[in-house]
Amino acid sequence: AQTVTQSQPEMSVQEAETVTLSCTYDTSESDYYLFWYKQPPSRQMILVIRQEAYKQQNATENRFSVNFQKAAKSFSLKISDSQLGDAAMYFCAYRSANFGNEKLTFGTGTRLTIIP
Amino acid sequence: GAVVSQHPSRVICKSGTSVKIECRSLDFQATTMFWYRQFPKQSLMLMATSNEGSKATYEQGVEKDKFLINHASLTLSTLTVTSAHPEDSSFYICSARGGTLSSYEQYFGPGTRLTVT
Repeated sequence: AQTVTQSQPEMSVQEAETVTLSCTYDTSESDYYLFWYKQPPSRQMILVIRQEAYKQQNATENRFSVNFQKAAKSFSLKISDSQLGDAAMYFCAYRSANFGNEKLTFGTGTRLTIIP
Repeated sequence: GAVVSQHPSRVICKSGTSVKIECRSLDFQATTMFWYRQFPKQSLMLMATSNEGSKATYEQGVEKDKFLINHASLTLSTLTVTSAHPEDSSFYICSARGGTLSSYEQYFGPGTRLTVT
C-alpha cells in the first residue's frame, strides 16, 4: 500500500517570502501521479499542482512549483511571493496510474500561516 | 467547468435516524465518484469509490451497511448514513472524475458537515 508523509504539521512565512512544504511517499509502482491540494477555511479542496511521475521536469503553476525527486520519493511544494490568500491546509496526495486504481492517498497535511 | 456540488452543506440529525447526502457533477458526466471523511484537523480518508451503475467499493474498515452509496446516474451519487450515531459526526466530502476530463484529476465538492446529536 502506498503511504504519504508530511512531516511539518505547521509552517509559517512572512508575506512576500518563499516557503517550501515537504512531502515524502512510499510506493512500489513506477508510474503514478502526485498532487498538492489546498484546503482553505471554507474546506473546499483546490488542486494546486500535479506531477506525472514519468516526467522529469518539475511542474510549475505561477507562484507554485514542485521539486520532484523520484529516486528519493520526495515531492516538495515551493510557494514564492507568499500572499495572505495562501493561508490554508496543504495536502500532498498520491494516485496510481494503473487503470481502475484511482483513489487518492493523502498525507496528514501542513497548516500554512502567512504573517503580514 | 468541472463543478461538483453537495447538498446539504450542513445537517443535524438525531441519533438513530438516517441522513442522505447528495453529490452532483454539474457540468460533466462523472463515471467515478469518491466519498471521503475528514475529522477535525485531520486528513481526508477515502470511504468508498463508486462507478455509475455498479456497486460501490468500500475501503477496509468502512461498514457498507451503515454508509450506503448509490451512484444511479452519471451526475449523481448519494451517501446515506443509516442509524447515525454521534461518532458519525464528521465532514463528508465527495469528488468526481470522468467524461472528457483528464483521467488523473478529481474534482471535489464543498463538503457536508454532519452533526449527530
